[in-house]
Amino acid sequence: SQKIEQNSEALNIQEGKTATLTCNYTNYSPAYLQWYRQDPGRGPVFLLLIRENEKEKRKERLKVTFDTTLKQSLFHITASQPADSATYLCALPGEAGRRALTFGSGTRLQVQP
Amino acid sequence: DARVTQTPRDKVTEMGQEVTMRCQPILGHNTVFWYRQTMMQGLELLAYFRNRAPLDDSGMPKDRFSAEMPDATLATLKIQPSEPRDSAVYFCASALITGAVGELFFGEGSRLTVL
Repeated sequence: SQKIEQNSEALNIQEGKTATLTCNYTNYSPAYLQWYRQDPGRGPVFLLLIRENEKEKRKERLKVTFDTTLKQSLFHITASQPADSATYLCALPGEAGRRALTFGSGTRLQVQP
Repeated sequence: DARVTQTPRDKVTEMGQEVTMRCQPILGHNTVFWYRQTMMQGLELLAYFRNRAPLDDSGMPKDRFSAEMPDATLATLKIQPSEPRDSAVYFCASALITGAVGELFFGEGSRLTVL
């Protein structure tokens, strides 16, 4: 069955640096991948969607890549700020017959001032 | 500002009691999801509806959980009887799905504690 892996260890970086988070998946080839941000006590918030035919997508300080050969997506936040501290979740559509999004467990990012 | 509304925000109950969680999706969205989030399992899909029709509820324990959409403005998730292992945050999300793609808009969640 489909498996999504995100680094469960928190990522700590200094303000101004680039944060890079990884999402790996196995067992099938999704048509797209989404990234969400979740703050403590809140619901996830959509950030970006990237399709299988797109290598890279940008939105302000965010950049997402999608390597369908490696079955991996990288999520970058450039010029990181303490306000970027949150948990970031990747999500993929389910396999045939179960099209709702399946979420990874998320990686917590902590940006130190 | 359109948003998904969930009630209650917090619920503490005793084992064996019935729990009902409610969700008002964003007007115009055609798909509603119920997810459950725990530290151990992360976000798990319980059920989802398209145009009020259930499409998949394979993530729900059928003997105690039920999900319905009595109308386009209300989705409910019921647990009867509740058990301590049901303690989690339950999220409702809605989306306008055209083709196979759409971003999900989540509510703030209902935190359930079963003693």
